[in-house]
Amino acid sequence: GAVVSQHPSRVICKSGTSVKIECRSLDFQATTMFWYRQFPKQSLMLMATSNEGSKATYEQGVEKDKFLINHASLTLSTLTVTSAHPEDSSFYICSARVTGGPSTYGYTFGSGTRLTVV
Amino acid sequence: KNEVEQSPQNLTAQEGEFITINCSYSVGISALHWLQQHPGGGIVSLFMLSSGKKKHGRLIATINIQEKHSSLHITASHPRDSAVYICAVGIIFGKGTRLHILP
Repeated sequence: GAVVSQHPSRVICKSGTSVKIECRSLDFQATTMFWYRQFPKQSLMLMATSNEGSKATYEQGVEKDKFLINHASLTLSTLTVTSAHPEDSSFYICSARVTGGPSTYGYTFGSGTRLTVV
Repeated sequence: KNEVEQSPQNLTAQEGEFITINCSYSVGISALHWLQQHPGGGIVSLFMLSSGKKKHGRLIATINIQEKHSSLHITASHPRDSAVYICAVGIIFGKGTRLHILP
């Protein structure tokens, strides 16, 4: 149980276009989802926290107009990278806090999206 | 100084060996997480700890709140355990420990 499905797993886009990444909780309701970015050989860095029905909270240095987050339902959060540039090429991953029910694990993660901007 | 530090950064061991990965932190804590990231990037949450010790299969995680230190142990290691193991305190992640188990 407690699965987060993230799509797409890989995407290549042209510079200047926008890319949408979806994270969907399959068997639980995720009131809060977290979006991370990971550059090669670097640790995961929290970009923003998305709350269902309200505006996302962005970490310092993350452009909210460039990384649009929508969490319109309890099972879906999306991250849209707008006007992508090669420096946005990275590994993006979401996670959700699993609350309620028997679970050894407090958080569940999506499988990640590798974005390459050419 | 990083707020969450892991050691070692890289570890190569023979199949069957007992593995220990350490995590020290300087930030306040509500819970500490151990995560496993495979080469393709996918991440699995292994443990969430706020005190004591947890065991799941061949994996054991311990935490000492007073010393601000946690360890992840793997017993009877296997090549399929090869991955990057990441310690996270709240939203702050360590840089990970790259583990390679040789057959």
